[in-house]
Amino acid sequence: GDSVTQMEGPVTLSEEAFLTINCTYTATGYPSLFWYVQYPGEGLQLLLKATKADDKGSNKGFEATYRKETTSFHLEKGSVQVSDSAVYFCALEKLVFGKGTKLTVNP
Amino acid sequence: GAVVSQHPSRVICKSGTSVKIECRSLDFQATTMFWYRQFPKQSLMLMATSNEGSKATYEQGVEKDKFLINHASLTLSTLTVTSAHPEDSSFYICSANLYGGIDNEQFFGPGTRLTVL
Repeated sequence: GDSVTQMEGPVTLSEEAFLTINCTYTATGYPSLFWYVQYPGEGLQLLLKATKADDKGSNKGFEATYRKETTSFHLEKGSVQVSDSAVYFCALEKLVFGKGTKLTVNP
Repeated sequence: GAVVSQHPSRVICKSGTSVKIECRSLDFQATTMFWYRQFPKQSLMLMATSNEGSKATYEQGVEKDKFLINHASLTLSTLTVTSAHPEDSSFYICSANLYGGIDNEQFFGPGTRLTVL
C-alpha cells in the first residue's frame, strides 16, 4: 500500500542554518504530495504542496520539489528561524502521513 | 483560512467509561470529516471518514463498535470511545476540508489527548 518515509528526528539547528528534511514515498500513480507543520499546541496546517512531477511547492521560505524519478519530496529552507521550531509531516494524498520530524531551532 | 476546533483538548477517564470528542468546522461546512489517532513518535493513522447524514467509513482494523462516529450536522462530528481501556489512550485528531474529498488540503483540529486510567 501507499506509504511515506521521512527522516527521523529530532533535528536541532542553530538559527540561520540550512534545513533539509527528507521524505520519500511509495504509491501507485502520481499522487499529490504535501508538507504539513504542527506548531506547539496547535493543529497541523498545510505548509506547501505539489500536485505533479517537477512541481515545486513553496511557502514561508520553505521549498520542496516533487521528484518522480526518486519518489521524493524533501523539504528545504535556506535559513531557519527560531519560529520554525515545530513538527513537520510529509504526506500523500489519500491521507497517508509520515511519522513527523521534530525541528528545534536555537537562537 | 478554515478553522477546525476540537473539544475537549484533554480528557482523563476511568477504564470502562465512554468519552465523547467533538470536532467542529467553525467557518465552513464540512460534509466529510476525518478522524485520526496518533501514538507518540508515530504517524497519524486514519481511523475513519465521517459522512454527514450517513454512516462513517472505517479503516481496516478499526472497531466501529468501539469508536462510534456521528456526523449529525455540516459543522459537527463526534467520536465516542466506548468502554475505554488504557490501550485506547492516545492523541485523537480530526480534519476537514472545503471540498469533501481526501485529495485536497486538510484543515486540522488541535487534537484531543485521551488518557484512560
